[in-house]
Amino acid sequence: DTAVSQTPKYLVTQMGNDKSIKCEQNLGHDTMYWYKQDSKKFLKIMFSYNNKELIINETVPNRFSPKSPDKAHLNLHINSLELGDSAVYFCASSQMGTKNIQYFGAGTRLSVL
Amino acid sequence: EDQVTQSPEALRLQEGESSSLNCSYTVSGLRGLFWYRQDPGKGPEFLFTLYSAGEEKEKERLKATLTKKESFLHITAPKPEDSATYLCAVQVDPGGGADGLTFGKGTHLIIQP
Repeated sequence: DTAVSQTPKYLVTQMGNDKSIKCEQNLGHDTMYWYKQDSKKFLKIMFSYNNKELIINETVPNRFSPKSPDKAHLNLHINSLELGDSAVYFCASSQMGTKNIQYFGAGTRLSVL
Repeated sequence: EDQVTQSPEALRLQEGESSSLNCSYTVSGLRGLFWYRQDPGKGPEFLFTLYSAGEEKEKERLKATLTKKESFLHITAPKPEDSATYLCAVQVDPGGGADGLTFGKGTHLIIQP
């Protein structure tokens, strides 16, 4: 069983469209994250979220919004897509506490044309 | 600003040739240092976490160590299947545990048969 799963794996779309990426974890964790990996393979945190708070990286445009229907899911909505949004997006989850090890999904490759 | 610097950017070794990867960090307060392995087209896979200077962890041919300023990932007698990008990341205090990881840019390791 995949611990952290993302769909779709690939997403090709036009500039200006709105899209969503889904993430689900079956680890029973209470915290989920979204990261962006750019063309130079550099991973950067976008959001972290648990049932108490949403922490947003200040560099993330407000066109990006995380939505969590329940503890096991954290979806990423992107409005008005731009060319620069092309990247691989990774979802991760962890259990808050002393160890807080984050486990990652396989990624969603977004291409904006 | 928290910084994580990995070196070298790329490393090519012969099978059986031991070496070390470096991760130096500048953070306000280290909560934990993490090593991940990333294969092409996949998400980061957790390897180790270290919490205090002097700590060491081992797994098969890999050994991670931590000082107050840097961490090393030692690879002993590597095999071709150890080829991957190795990522170092830190989590800082105060962070409440829900903050994301700050990643370095990774070391791309190639083990030639």
